[in-house]
Amino acid sequence: DAGITQSPRYKITETGRQVTLMCHQTWSHSYMFWYRQDLGHGLRLIYYSAAADITDKGEVPDGYVVSRSKTENFPLTLESATRSQTSVYFCASSRVPYNEQFFGPGTRLTVL
Amino acid sequence: AQTVTQSQPEMSVQEAETVTLSCTYDTSESDYYLFWYKQPPSRQMILVIRQEAYKQQNATENRFSVNFQKAAKSFSLKISDSQLGDAAMYFCAYRRGEGSQGNLIFGKGTKLSVKP
Repeated sequence: DAGITQSPRYKITETGRQVTLMCHQTWSHSYMFWYRQDLGHGLRLIYYSAAADITDKGEVPDGYVVSRSKTENFPLTLESATRSQTSVYFCASSRVPYNEQFFGPGTRLTVL
Repeated sequence: AQTVTQSQPEMSVQEAETVTLSCTYDTSESDYYLFWYKQPPSRQMILVIRQEAYKQQNATENRFSVNFQKAAKSFSLKISDSQLGDAAMYFCAYRRGEGSQGNLIFGKGTKLSVKP
């Protein structure tokens, strides 16, 4: 049982390039979330999804795009990466919004 | 907007001793949940303990317990008999109750070191 996985675990890219971070969960959880973690800020919500084809913005959505065509996948795309998007990105899921959220292992993204 | 504050960027404890990490939050909601997450060097976010706001009894999980003071909006984590494996970043988090989108609002974290 893989649970929730993220790929890649590490990524280095250049300013202006498009990058997609993948998130896959095997529990059929309805709710999925993307957070970014930066020193001095804790984790902040980028986007979330309540179900397939239902997504909404979080606290820091600018420069990011998400989609959710299948319940188990929730990719996060940086359309034109900037240095300020250098961060660690976490995907999380929960069966219902008020249940425990399970986190993936994170993706460390560096934008040069 | 809800906010979560962890006023101790770093803490240190001797192995086998007890340490308390502080967390305060600001909300006008009556229905919410509070969490402590542990993040070891592996980066994995691990749920340590959760507290429902409607419950007066403080949550406990083995060596971990909380002191939930709803009126004071305080939610501290006590780690008893500290072990080397407890060394990690600890994040306090808040989530609104039913009817909310479910996202967590995190504090900035407290780095806990455990001395042998």
